[in-house]
Amino acid sequence: SSELTQDPAVSVALGQTVRITCQGDSLRSYYASWYQQKPGQAPVLVIYGKNNRPSGIPDRFSGSSSGNTASLTITGAQAEDEADYYCNSRDSSGNHLMFGGGTKLTVL
Amino acid sequence: QITLKESGPTLVKPTQTLTLTCTFSGFSLSTSGVGVGWIRQPPGKALEWLALIYWDDDKRYSPSLKSRLTITKDTSKNQVVLTMTNMDPVDTATYYCAHFFSMVHAFDIWGQGTMVTVSS
Repeated sequence: SSELTQDPAVSVALGQTVRITCQGDSLRSYYASWYQQKPGQAPVLVIYGKNNRPSGIPDRFSGSSSGNTASLTITGAQAEDEADYYCNSRDSSGNHLMFGGGTKLTVL
Repeated sequence: QITLKESGPTLVKPTQTLTLTCTFSGFSLSTSGVGVGWIRQPPGKALEWLALIYWDDDKRYSPSLKSRLTITKDTSKNQVVLTMTNMDPVDTATYYCAHFFSMVHAFDIWGQGTMVTVSS
């Protein structure tokens, strides 16, 4: 199918590890990129490719992929990590892009 | 330093055509591997990819909106223009343009976004 599926909401205790997942058939062929969006702000790229962080993104953010699932892991979640997270990849044809429905992360 | 800024009307009437301009600096859209894309986000909802134009003028559109969208570039002005025809209230959203680097296949720098309301 040409869609990316994310859990609508995930919570994590401060300092703990959380995994946010993104499922889609196209992820068997293409990597996902991950974006963090805080209220009223534009999205920010946090992970791209196999597991790459843009400059300025803390190393507690990491990415992985297995089969049809891509994952964003935050190791030692901080209060400032509370945000919406979106995955993005190509569709199965490779010719178009798509975003997942987003996951709202709450840091307790 | 790469920056992008969206501009256009804040209010359009149903059935009208929306024209948005993305003005950027810090890169050239004639450089191999570079693209500029448009993404929108209705209030309280998810991001939706709309269109992407590459340095070589290759253009890609969301299949669900392809018939309504046109993306063009003016390399000399450092601008990318998106037009969307037959606007409807469901098209009310914040519209973002973003720098796309095909080597990493990701939108690495985003504009601040511009809110467009469709209402009579």
